[in-house]
Amino acid sequence: GNSVTQMEGPVTLSEEAFLTINCTYTATGYPSLFWYVQYPGEGLQLLLKATKADDKGSNKGFEATYRKETTSFHLEKGSVQVSDSAVYFCALHSNFGNEKLTFGTGTRLTIIP
Amino acid sequence: DTGVSQNPRHKITKRGQNVTFRCDPISEHNRLYWYRQTLGQGPEFLTYFQNEAQLEKSRLLSDRFSAERPKGSFSTLEIQRTEQGDSAMYLCASSLSRGGTDTQYFGPGTRLTVL
Repeated sequence: GNSVTQMEGPVTLSEEAFLTINCTYTATGYPSLFWYVQYPGEGLQLLLKATKADDKGSNKGFEATYRKETTSFHLEKGSVQVSDSAVYFCALHSNFGNEKLTFGTGTRLTIIP
Repeated sequence: DTGVSQNPRHKITKRGQNVTFRCDPISEHNRLYWYRQTLGQGPEFLTYFQNEAQLEKSRLLSDRFSAERPKGSFSTLEIQRTEQGDSAMYLCASSLSRGGTDTQYFGPGTRLTVL
């Protein structure tokens, strides 16, 4: 079956540090890949997505590149801010007839000033 | 766009009681999804509708759970004879199917606590 494995948290960084949150997946065929973010007290928000190999999704300074050869979709940001503190979820959509998203367990990120 | 809304936001109930949650999707979205999220985990798929038809159900959805979307707009999720293991955040999402991969937009969730 499909699965998503995320870097375990929590992750604590200083403001302006470089961020990487690792995500790898197992899926049949060519899934679409997503990063969702959950800020404290709020619902899941789509951060970025990529629908085919070598696509790069980007939003709010975050980027992730769909790497089919390594089955990865790592999230990166060059300079994090305190406001980026949240839980980040990697997810896949299998494109094989079922419409569900399969999520990783989430990575809690805390940025300290 | 008012976003996906869910009611209530919080529900505390005693074991054995029935509870019902409501989800209002983004207007014109034809697909609606229910997920469950427990502490420290990612959301897990429960079921989804295309218009009023329930097209997929997870094995997580025991026979105590039932979901409806009677007119293809709002949806309800009912849990009968609640158990402590049902305590979780119940998330609703909606999307517009246009071919290819839909983007699912999530509501704020309903947090259920079963005492």
